[in-house]
Amino acid sequence: GAGVSQSPSNKVTEKGKDVELRCDPISGHTALYWYRQRLGQGLEFLIYFQGNSAPDKSGLPSDRFSAERTGESVSTLTIQRTQQEDSAVYLCASSSGTGPYEQYFGPGTRLTVT
Amino acid sequence: GENVEQHPSTLSVQEGDSAVIKCTYSDSASNYFPWYKQELGKRPQLIIDIRSNVGEKKDQRIAVTLNKTAKHFSLHITETQPEDSAVYFCAARNLGRLYFGRGTQLTVWP
Repeated sequence: GAGVSQSPSNKVTEKGKDVELRCDPISGHTALYWYRQRLGQGLEFLIYFQGNSAPDKSGLPSDRFSAERTGESVSTLTIQRTQQEDSAVYLCASSSGTGPYEQYFGPGTRLTVT
Repeated sequence: GENVEQHPSTLSVQEGDSAVIKCTYSDSASNYFPWYKQELGKRPQLIIDIRSNVGEKKDQRIAVTLNKTAKHFSLHITETQPEDSAVYFCAARNLGRLYFGRGTQLTVWP
């Protein structure tokens, strides 16, 4: 079946604007994760959803970042008043949640804030 | 929360040699340990994983070992090939999420 998809694949925005990033998980996967990866760096955890609740949002860097999920489907990550340091690839992953635990990553959204 | 340390940060080997990457974790409750390979500009791909009730798992040229007592696990790649060149991330699952190591840049020279 289809894997995790993300849109847009690339986004260039001006500093101070808001952006929305979308993630479509693998069908049937109840758990969904957002990560940030700056150039040449590791995977920085942002938030995870089990269903439409977020048991762990400890990685959100500031109150400019928020995320929501509709049921066990699409999730959106919103960054308000973007800053240059927000430039990164934002990766989404999904897993079945209750086991097996394998997480499958989407292709990412490359965000550039000018 | 969990803390995962990964070493080395860079590793260069000659084609055909073996490569070993090591990770440690802090919380004995962690129960699942995947390894991801990320090629330049691509998404991380799961290459092998191990659960806490297993000590070793092998898949062709790659193997993972887990020592629960010492809280460390390792990735072994034998007969390395240039296409093995990538960044490798280890992770530990704890309270529903994965905690990742900082990654190892593996370069295999022909």
